[in-house]
Amino acid sequence: GAGVSQSPRYKVAKRGQDVALRCDPISGHVSLFWYQQALGQGPEFLTYFQNEAQLDKSGLPSDRFFAERPEGSVSTLKIQRTQQEDSAVYLCASSLVGGDEQYFGPGTRLTVT
Amino acid sequence: RKEVEQDPGPFNVPEGATVAFNCTYSNSASQSFFWYRQDCRKEPKLLMSVYSSGNEDGRFTAQLNRASQYISLLIRDSKLSDSATYLCVWVMSGAGSYQLTFGKGTKLSVIP
Repeated sequence: GAGVSQSPRYKVAKRGQDVALRCDPISGHVSLFWYQQALGQGPEFLTYFQNEAQLDKSGLPSDRFFAERPEGSVSTLKIQRTQQEDSAVYLCASSLVGGDEQYFGPGTRLTVT
Repeated sequence: RKEVEQDPGPFNVPEGATVAFNCTYSNSASQSFFWYRQDCRKEPKLLMSVYSSGNEDGRFTAQLNRASQYISLLIRDSKLSDSATYLCVWVMSGAGSYQLTFGKGTKLSVIP
């Protein structure tokens, strides 16, 4: 079956631009997670959804970061006024329920110039 | 800020060797532990869960020591295909959330 998909796979943004990253989780998966992975680091938790409810956004680094999952399936991570330090791979993961194995998408590599 | 510490390596080992990685964690309330594998420029994939009693999956053995707050991964008879970065992960759940905390990863290169 289809895994987690993310788009775009690569995004180059000029500093100050807004970007929107999309995640299509595995069909039927209740839980959805966003992570940020900088070069040479492990993924860092950003936010967690259970269906359409955003239950934890404690990892979002600033109020420029916003995530939504309005219908409990597709999710969008938006970054406003991008900064160079936002350059990273943004990974989305989904799981059947919260504590289950998480399946990761291929990530979106964001480069802010 | 890091609550999980891993030796970043790289570990360069010949085929057939046995290699072990350790990972220490600081939060004693950690509930679940995992090892993930990440190939270069790919997404992380679950390798195995880690239980207090230890668990084995083929050539891979994972161990958890709660008293000393570390987890370990042992790979026997290394194959070229084992070359990857290995990430230790612990999970905290509470207040309706599940947070995975990843280590930086240990890079393994298996050499012919």
